Amino acid sequence: NAGVTQTPKFQVLKTGQSMTLQCAQDMNHEYMSWYRQDPGMGLRLIHYSVGAGITDQGEVPNGYNVSRSTTEDFPLRLLSAAPSQTSVYFCASSRIHANNSPLHFGNGTRLTVT
Amino acid sequence: EDQVTQSPEALRLQEGESSSLNCSYTVSGLRGLFWYRQDPGKGPEFLFTLYSAGEEKEKERLKATLTKKESFLHITAPKPEDSATYLCAVQSNQAGTALIFGKGTTLSVSS
Repeated sequence: NAGVTQTPKFQVLKTGQSMTLQCAQDMNHEYMSWYRQDPGMGLRLIHYSVGAGITDQGEVPNGYNVSRSTTEDFPLRLLSAAPSQTSVYFCASSRIHANNSPLHFGNGTRLTVT
Repeated sequence: EDQVTQSPEALRLQEGESSSLNCSYTVSGLRGLFWYRQDPGKGPEFLFTLYSAGEEKEKERLKATLTKKESFLHITAPKPEDSATYLCAVQSNQAGTALIFGKGTTLSVSS
């Protein structure tokens, strides 16, 4: 059972480049989300989805797009990378119908934008 | 606005020296408080969920408690393998499904 899988583990981009961070889960979780983690700050929610075809913005959505075409996958797209997007990105999933089901996290993608 | 504050930022202990980590929160209706452990280069790993004041949960050397304003993670006789960053997060009626995380406490246990 792989849980939440994120690829790539590391990525370096130049300002203005675009890329997609991949996230897949094999637990049949309805809820999926993307967080970023920066030094001296708590994890901050970027976007989330409560099911296929449904997405919504979190606390820091600017500069990022998401889509949810299947239950398993929830990619995060950076359309035009900026140095402020240098961060560690975590994908997380959970059941939604179980009250307060804990989030299961992937091991992150470390992104550097130069 | 929902807020979570963890203290101390960093804690150094000798093996066997018990201590507590604090998580203070301000939320508009608490749905749940979560504790996670994060090792370097890894994603957070779930430890506990607490729902109401007075509730306690235990796992090995860790015990989490909850009051109406804060939660404590008590570490009894820690070992070097307990070294990690411990994260506290809350889920509130206002935030819906989102978790609001604190900045974490980094624990170092030396032998």
